[in-house]
Amino acid sequence: NAGVTQTPKFRILKIGQSMTLQCAQDMNHNYMYWYRQDPGMGLKLIYYSVGAGITDKGEVPNGYNVSRSTTEDFPLRLELAAPSQTSVYFCASRAEAGVSTDTQYFGPGTRLTVL
Amino acid sequence: KNQVEQSPQSLIILEGKNCTLQCNYTVSPFSNLRWYKQDTGRGPVSLTIMTFSENTKSNGRYTATLDADTKQSSLHITASQLSDSASYICVVVSGGSYIPTFGRGTSLIVHP
Repeated sequence: NAGVTQTPKFRILKIGQSMTLQCAQDMNHNYMYWYRQDPGMGLKLIYYSVGAGITDKGEVPNGYNVSRSTTEDFPLRLELAAPSQTSVYFCASRAEAGVSTDTQYFGPGTRLTVL
Repeated sequence: KNQVEQSPQSLIILEGKNCTLQCNYTVSPFSNLRWYKQDTGRGPVSLTIMTFSENTKSNGRYTATLDADTKQSSLHITASQLSDSASYICVVVSGGSYIPTFGRGTSLIVHP
């Protein structure tokens, strides 16, 4: 299993540009998440999904959109990039299981800079 | 407001020594508490997960404790190795919520 994969690894955007951060998992997990990690801060949840066709907002959803057309893929869309969106973005997934086995698996991250 | 506070912010120890990291939280209602290890430039990796009824859990040289009454947790690392150099993140999940609260992490540096 490749686990959780993210592309691209790095990206520089100009203010106002748009882009899609890709996330895929091959573990057949129902739950998927997008987080952002700012320097010296804890991870913040942007959006999450509990299954194909179902998405919901997290703590910091403004400026982002997501879709979940398949179990495997959970892309994150930035429509009008702003400097405040400069961050490292992590995608994660977990199986729909009891808490004792409820491990969340993270991707390697995408480092985004908006200039 | 749900909060997770970790201390110390950073820690430097010599290889082979033990250390303990602290986590205090105000998340309510409580569902579970997790410790993650995050190497520089990588995503977090789960170390332990504890529910309300569990007060200790081990994963190799890592032992986490939980006191749900005082809302405190600790992560003890035994016989540290150079590869333990990383950020250690405490995460608390509220009951009935999909939104976890992350601490800012403790940066651990192990020197030879």
